[in-house]
Amino acid sequence: SQQGEEDPQALSIQEGENATMNCSYKTSINNLQWYRQNSGRGLVHLILIRSNEREKHSGRLRVTLDTSKKSSSLLITASRAADTASYFCATGIYDKIIFGKGTRLHILP
Amino acid sequence: DTAVSQTPKYLVTQMGNDKSIKCEQNLGHDTMYWYKQDSKKFLKIMFSYNNKELIINETVPNRFSPKSPDKAHLNLHINSLELGDSAVYFCASSQVGIPSGSSYEQYFGPGTRLTVT
Repeated sequence: SQQGEEDPQALSIQEGENATMNCSYKTSINNLQWYRQNSGRGLVHLILIRSNEREKHSGRLRVTLDTSKKSSSLLITASRAADTASYFCATGIYDKIIFGKGTRLHILP
Repeated sequence: DTAVSQTPKYLVTQMGNDKSIKCEQNLGHDTMYWYKQDSKKFLKIMFSYNNKELIINETVPNRFSPKSPDKAHLNLHINSLELGDSAVYFCASSQVGIPSGSSYEQYFGPGTRLTVT
């Protein structure tokens, strides 16, 4: 069964603005990962945050994890047209990861 | 160099046919996966192999049979194709580290779009 739920399902923002996507999950996890999928392409791993970490940064990406609320957020700062894609959270449970349905992000020029 | 490659990229076939999708990774990873992404973009794991051994089989119809000749290859054979099999199939790989049982980032292939008519 599906584990992660992203919110919102779709998001449109102006170029240069920040984009925030949220992910909620149901059971205990080892880690939580965020992936990007450009149209017609495979998924690309963005960042992994372990269950004992609260925040992680990678370039313009900032991920937070709140295990007490079973939720995570992905912040993309200073968005660019190239950030237009679908973003998926994936919860790492033992030896597999389970994907949510994704947030479609559209950056407007 | 392509890290995870799949062939073919597109596959159009009729109901009842048998087809195969091939996957190869040159990352030296121990674990490979097959995922199915439906029209609503929901990505669901089908199989996982670690060092040529099946470790995850997620209630997939037995018309789907994975085969791993070595740890760099994981092929997917589908018998008696049905309309509902139309989807994009992704292969992925990852390392499985110590302690065992930990999940790591996965590297995805470009996908194979299967259309069953």
